[in-house]
Amino acid sequence: NAGVTQTPKFQVLKTGQSMTLQCAQDMNHNSMYWYRQDPGMGLRLIYYSASEGTTDKGEVPNGYNVSRLNKREFSLRLESAAPSQTSVYFCASSDTSGAYNEQFFGPGTRLTVL
Amino acid sequence: GDSVTQMEGPVTLSEEAFLTINCTYTATGYPSLFWYVQYPGEGLQLLLKATKADDKGSNKGFEATYRKETTSFHLEKGSVQVSDSAVYFCALSDLGNFNKFYFGSGTKLNVKP
Repeated sequence: NAGVTQTPKFQVLKTGQSMTLQCAQDMNHNSMYWYRQDPGMGLRLIYYSASEGTTDKGEVPNGYNVSRLNKREFSLRLESAAPSQTSVYFCASSDTSGAYNEQFFGPGTRLTVL
Repeated sequence: GDSVTQMEGPVTLSEEAFLTINCTYTATGYPSLFWYVQYPGEGLQLLLKATKADDKGSNKGFEATYRKETTSFHLEKGSVQVSDSAVYFCALSDLGNFNKFYFGSGTKLNVKP
C-alpha cells in the first residue's frame, strides 16, 4: 500500500516549457487535490476533483490544467511554465464518504522554472 | 469564506519545554479540524484531528481541543523533543464543499538540545 505517489520528485524547466506532474493513489479515494506550497503562504489549492470525471478550480488555477484520468490518477499540467510557478507541488486524496475525511499527501514535486 | 490563522514562527524551544501553537478559524458550517506536520523535504502527515466541538485529538504526546466558542484549535505538547522540529499546519475541512481544506501558513518549530 504505497498511499499517494508523485512523479517526478524534482524538475527544472526553462520559461515556456511544458510538463505534466503525475499523481496516483491506491486507497480507492474518490477525491483528489493539487496544492502548491510557497514560503510563508501555507498550501494553496490549485485544482481538485471530487470524483472520477469531474474537476474544479481552486484558489490559484491560472496557468495550470488537470486531468482525472481514472479513479487512481490525477495529473497537473503546466502548458507554458513561468518563474512564478517555481514551487513545491503536493497531490492529496481523501475519502469524503466517511466521518474522518482527512487528506493524505504525496511526497511532493520540487519544481524550478528558470 | 473559510480560513485558518495560526501563529507565526519560528518558535524556538529547549528540549522538554512546553509547546503551544495557536490556531483560530473562521467557518460558515461545522468543519473538521486538523493538525498536520511536515518534516524537512517531506510531504504533510496527519498529526491529529477532531470532528466536532469539544473533541480532543491526540497523538505522540500532542493534543488539541476543538473549541467552538473561541473558534480555536491550539496545539500543545507537555515536553518537546529535538525530533519534534518540523513545520506544523493547522487546517479545517468543509465536507459539504467537496472536502476542500483550508490551511494556515504553518509554524516552524525548532527544538534545541
